[in-house]
Amino acid sequence: EAGVTQFPSHSVIEKGQTVTLRCDPISGHDNLYWYRRVMGKEIKFLLHFVKESKQDESGMPNNRFLAERTGGTYSTLKVQPAELEDSGVYFCASSIRINSPLHFGNGTRLTVT
Amino acid sequence: DAKTTQPTSMDCAEGRAANLPCNHSTISGNEYVYWYRQIHSQGPQYIIHGLKNNETNEMASLIITEDRKSSTLILPHATLRDTAVYYCIVRVGIQGAQKLVFGQGTRLTINP
Repeated sequence: EAGVTQFPSHSVIEKGQTVTLRCDPISGHDNLYWYRRVMGKEIKFLLHFVKESKQDESGMPNNRFLAERTGGTYSTLKVQPAELEDSGVYFCASSIRINSPLHFGNGTRLTVT
Repeated sequence: DAKTTQPTSMDCAEGRAANLPCNHSTISGNEYVYWYRQIHSQGPQYIIHGLKNNETNEMASLIITEDRKSSTLILPHATLRDTAVYYCIVRVGIQGAQKLVFGQGTRLTINP
């Protein structure tokens, strides 16, 4: 089966611009998660979808971040406007059941200059 | 904040067993211990998990102490491709959700 795919793999934008990251989970996986690692820090949870519904968005850092999963398939994470501290690697993961282990994508490396 | 402590780094010779320790002294009775690893430039990869019994799969074995305050991940025959950062995680998500709290992990280097 195809794994979790993320696009783009790298993105370089200027402060104040907007960037949209995309995640395609494994087909049939209702649970979709976003995590990120900012420079020098640990990987941290951002939010969790069950199908198209946000189950837990307690890790979203502020209202510049907007995650969507229309139709319960792929998800997007938009950062608007981007700030320097948003630089890092954004990971998407999916699981077939809520308590199943996660399958992670290889991440999108975001650089804000 | 991570609920686990792990050594920062470890080395192991290729072909030997790699034993990675993890302390989780504040673990609750219904919390699982998960192990993931991250190979350079890839996303984290699930390895194994357990509650209180020892577990084994095609990748590794997980030994959990009787008091559940610590565990050891065992890679029985380490290869160069096992070089990675290994994360020991106590799952904190409600209702089973995979809201994982990653710490710094152990950087395992397999030497030829």
